[in-house]
Amino acid sequence: QSVLTQPPSASGTPGQRVTISCSGSNSNIRRNTVNWYQQLPGTAPKLLIYSIGQRPSGVPDRFSGSKSDTSASLAISDLQSEDEADYYCAVWDDSLKGVIFGGGTKLTVL
Amino acid sequence: QVQLQESGPGLVKPSQTLSLTCTVSGGSISSGDYYWSWIRQPPGKGLEWIGYIYYIGSAHYNPSLESRTTVSLDTSKNLFSLKLSSVSAADTAVYFCARGGPSGDFDYWGQGTLVTVSS
Repeated sequence: QSVLTQPPSASGTPGQRVTISCSGSNSNIRRNTVNWYQQLPGTAPKLLIYSIGQRPSGVPDRFSGSKSDTSASLAISDLQSEDEADYYCAVWDDSLKGVIFGGGTKLTVL
Repeated sequence: QVQLQESGPGLVKPSQTLSLTCTVSGGSISSGDYYWSWIRQPPGKGLEWIGYIYYIGSAHYNPSLESRTTVSLDTSKNLFSLKLSSVSAADTAVYFCARGGPSGDFDYWGQGTLVTVSS
């Protein structure tokens, strides 16, 4: 059971907008920056969003991140078939004194 | 372009020590204000951060693994290493090395290496 709670699954059709939530607490999301990762099957995770809403070079602006209080969200607009993957949030936890990951959300493009 | 590559035994016996190396190319491991981490993923499960080492050599570990974990730097070979002692089947996972630390933003990753703990 992860300290960060993500829905195990999400889905959408091509062109739709989907959001994935990450629920935490005062010791992690409220105080620290949230990062998001995309993991395609059989590959290493890829950094999608850092410092809440920043995108590394090469990540489409269809991906965006936000944070409010103790929760964060990843939004994917204009959903495409290649977005089908597992998505993870990650943040430092001041109480546990370590980086923690959410349990992951499997996104299916119908 | 920074690249990372894990290497080490794919099979380790229970109670023994798991040892992996991450070779970094495309940049010096000891230059710049960077952290270097190990992260693992059991088959079919989520990601778990193991620990990081700062470019000057100080390390910090996941409290749940701290008593069994050592991460070290070898600047002469531009690599960093992981040692996890007293392993059990629960340590079977794909082990990734990555650039990044306490901010949780791991921007470069190795491809990962599967380590199975079995007799």
